Amino acid sequence: AQSVTQLDSHVSVSEGTPVLLRCNYSSSYSPSLFWYVQHPNKGLQLLLKYTSAATLVKGINGFEAEFKKSETSFHLTKPSAHMSDAAEYFCVVSDRSGGGADGLTFGKGTHLIIQP
Amino acid sequence: GAGVSQSPRYKVAKRGQDVALRCDPISGHVSLFWYQQALGQGPEFLTYFQNEAQLDKSGLPSDRFFAERPEGSVSTLKIQRTQQEDSAVYLCASSFTFTGGNSPLHFGNGTRLTVT
Repeated sequence: AQSVTQLDSHVSVSEGTPVLLRCNYSSSYSPSLFWYVQHPNKGLQLLLKYTSAATLVKGINGFEAEFKKSETSFHLTKPSAHMSDAAEYFCVVSDRSGGGADGLTFGKGTHLIIQP
Repeated sequence: GAGVSQSPRYKVAKRGQDVALRCDPISGHVSLFWYQQALGQGPEFLTYFQNEAQLDKSGLPSDRFFAERPEGSVSTLKIQRTQQEDSAVYLCASSFTFTGGNSPLHFGNGTRLTVT
């Protein structure tokens, strides 16, 4: 079985400061890990994915995430927040053993707030 | 447009009514997923199609939920005798290959269902 825990339901940062969104996962197999972003009334958009290649993954809009197997973590970071980053962020795991035949298991989400 | 299209965008149903939600995936995409996203939660897997075959329906919450994809393209999610707990955003996603976990999922904007 697979699961994912997003440690913060809300994160608030000032524009121009670093962003850290935390995610821990549990998986019986070698997982694929993803971060998706959801802007209000919009569909989910893939930010980045890890599939057992490089442990530091670079995504769109300046985001990156590091896969740490020893800590079972996949935290999302960005050096400098922009107002347009305000959205809901979902950490997602897929190990083909759960989430429904090749489907994904989503975390509950972290709401990122950017203060001007 | 080239994205996943869902209709209607919003649906209000009286308790006990039947509803049908439509998903037009990206042309040529083999895999199609339905997710349910309750308010303040992450999306939860409902069902998965590979072309016209429904390979996994383990996430459907009750036998009132039914999904089909008869020609391997457009899919319909039907909910019979709607209940208030069915109120949620229903998301459709498609991917090009058979493997949703390793092939990016493209999400529609969702249908927001409110049962009164």
